[in-house]
Amino acid sequence: AQSVAQPEDQVNVAEGNPLTVKCTYSVSGNPYLFWYVQYPNRGLQFLLKYITGDNLVKGSYGFEAEFNKSQTSFHLKKPSALVSDSALYFCAVRDTPGNTGKLIFGQGTTLQVKP
Amino acid sequence: DGGITQSPKYLFRKEGQNVTLSCEQNLNHDAMYWYRQDPGQGLRLIYYSQIVNDFQKGDIAEGYSVSREKKESFPLTVTSAQKNPTAFYLCASSILAGGRDTQYFGPGTRLTVL
Repeated sequence: AQSVAQPEDQVNVAEGNPLTVKCTYSVSGNPYLFWYVQYPNRGLQFLLKYITGDNLVKGSYGFEAEFNKSQTSFHLKKPSALVSDSALYFCAVRDTPGNTGKLIFGQGTTLQVKP
Repeated sequence: DGGITQSPKYLFRKEGQNVTLSCEQNLNHDAMYWYRQDPGQGLRLIYYSQIVNDFQKGDIAEGYSVSREKKESFPLTVTSAQKNPTAFYLCASSILAGGRDTQYFGPGTRLTVL
């Protein structure tokens, strides 16, 4: 069965420090991986995705993620955190084969950036 | 959130009532989805539709119903059979279902049972 794990409920970093939000996945085929961010009482905003090719994916707002097939991970990173990055982050995977478009979401990680 | 609208933003339901949540998109996407979000549980798929006049159950379809009469609209009805409907409901759409297409989300509707 396909699954996504975000092992940390909350990540705390100081403004200006690098941040990492962890994600591991389990799928039967080749994964399509996504990161979304959610601010309070808002919908999810798309940050970036990995489909194929370069393992380092760059996305919106200075975020990037590294696909590691051997470790089945897709960690979200940013070199220098901002207070405005504080939000709830979701990792999601869509497996292949499979044509339903169904995304499997992790439980989410709350990022708290302190000034 | 651009291109996908959900209404109302807040909805209150009495026990035994059916309520309908609206989702409209102007992105010309074929596929549309409904998710339910509960604290600490991520998002769970309720229903999805790959094309007009066709839809499939997701993981937690019991107590919900949908229709897809127009490409741009995918309303969700929360029926009285849904025992614990209080949640945040998110609608999404993508160009096509499956593959590498990104799902884009609306702003959500928060449903509370009184």
